[in-house]
Amino acid sequence: KNEVEQSPQNLTAQEGEFITINCSYSVGISALHWLQQHPGGGIVSLFMLSSGKKKHGRLIATINIQEKHSSLHITASHPRDSAVYICAVNPNTGNQFYFGTGTSLTVIP
Amino acid sequence: ETGVTQSPTHLIKTRGQQVTLRCSSQSGHNTVSWYQQALGQGPQFIFQYYREEENGRGNFPPRFSGLQFPNYSSELNVNALELDDSALYLCASSFVGTAYEQYFGPGTRLTVT
Repeated sequence: KNEVEQSPQNLTAQEGEFITINCSYSVGISALHWLQQHPGGGIVSLFMLSSGKKKHGRLIATINIQEKHSSLHITASHPRDSAVYICAVNPNTGNQFYFGTGTSLTVIP
Repeated sequence: ETGVTQSPTHLIKTRGQQVTLRCSSQSGHNTVSWYQQALGQGPQFIFQYYREEENGRGNFPPRFSGLQFPNYSSELNVNALELDDSALYLCASSFVGTAYEQYFGPGTRLTVT
């Protein structure tokens, strides 16, 4: 059983569409991260959340600690947003991250 | 902008061989974590080093070992390579005390044939 579940696994959208990626987790956490991974491997940290909501440009991340759920939203999607988006959590105990398997997003012009 | 670098970027090895992967942490970071990412999967935690000591380990056999040096750079060593070790190996550095924010390197793609 994976401690972090993401949905959908794959997502194709038309340029300009509003996109939502969901993440649910089963452990108590101190922080949740949204990461972006482009083909070739490099991972970039988009957000780190412990409560509420954060916004950066066209990206918005929310978290509901009570429901153990987070969402990543992309407004006015663009082909350059095409990447794998990974949700990861810091559990309250231990040093490791738990990662979701990622959501592969393709934005079509 | 992340300052974490990894070398080499790509590597091909034969089953049974040994491999060493290297990671240079972002300046000021004293903790490094290593992850294995199989194709189509999320990263899996291998281990973490803090002040040159192993500080946590995931579900990986002892043939996966590591080192952290006084300058906080790090190595991941894998002995007796198996085909299933083919993956992207990521390192991430952080500073204990800054709420677990980790900065990832670009990864090393290891192929075992």
